[in-house]
Amino acid sequence: DAKTTQPNSMESNEEEPVHLPCNHSTISGTDYIHWYRQLPSQGPEYVIHGLTSNVNNRMASLAIAEDRKSSTLILHRATLRDAAVYYCILRKPSGTYKYIFGTGTRLKVLA
Amino acid sequence: NAGVTQTPKFQVLKTGQSMTLQCAQDMNHEYMSWYRQDPGMGLRLIHYSVGAGITDQGEVPNGYNVSRSTTEDFPLRLLSAAPSQTSVYFCASSLGDSSTDTQYFGPGTRLTVL
Repeated sequence: DAKTTQPNSMESNEEEPVHLPCNHSTISGTDYIHWYRQLPSQGPEYVIHGLTSNVNNRMASLAIAEDRKSSTLILHRATLRDAAVYYCILRKPSGTYKYIFGTGTRLKVLA
Repeated sequence: NAGVTQTPKFQVLKTGQSMTLQCAQDMNHEYMSWYRQDPGMGLRLIHYSVGAGITDQGEVPNGYNVSRSTTEDFPLRLLSAAPSQTSVYFCASSLGDSSTDTQYFGPGTRLTVL
């Protein structure tokens, strides 16, 4: 299984942008990059996903490197409610129902 | 929609006891799964189901049983609880298993085995 590598923790000031990196050097051409986050004492929730092009939604943006060996989740203005563990996951094409969660990045947002 | 619901929220068991963790979803999702999360760790897949009557093992299936008699429900049974099964258990569901399908998680059950 292709693995992802993320920093254990990051800090950001409130109202500032946050860039959360993820390395996935063994990614296959058809693997999608998904991001989930887990707020304290809650189950994970979906944030965003992409294949090759950069993606935006109401929660965040996903920037994918041209060689797809890394990606960055961008929170444009961090709030205290964004403090969570963020997981970068590679999803294989259908037929492999398996999400491999690493230990993720714990984001601390400072007021 | 209630989404994915789990009961109970908390449970304490003694070693050797058995119990069933309940999971239900009202989104008509075909795929459902159970994960466990140990302190400071990511989630690990226990069992999953791709539809009613069909289940399969994940990474850490030992000590757990599942069945899927309806689309809505996917209970997880602990046969003989052990302290190593102390963990937080999450149930999840998704419409399909394509690369673009997303999972919806329940709030979790915190289980302590003494």
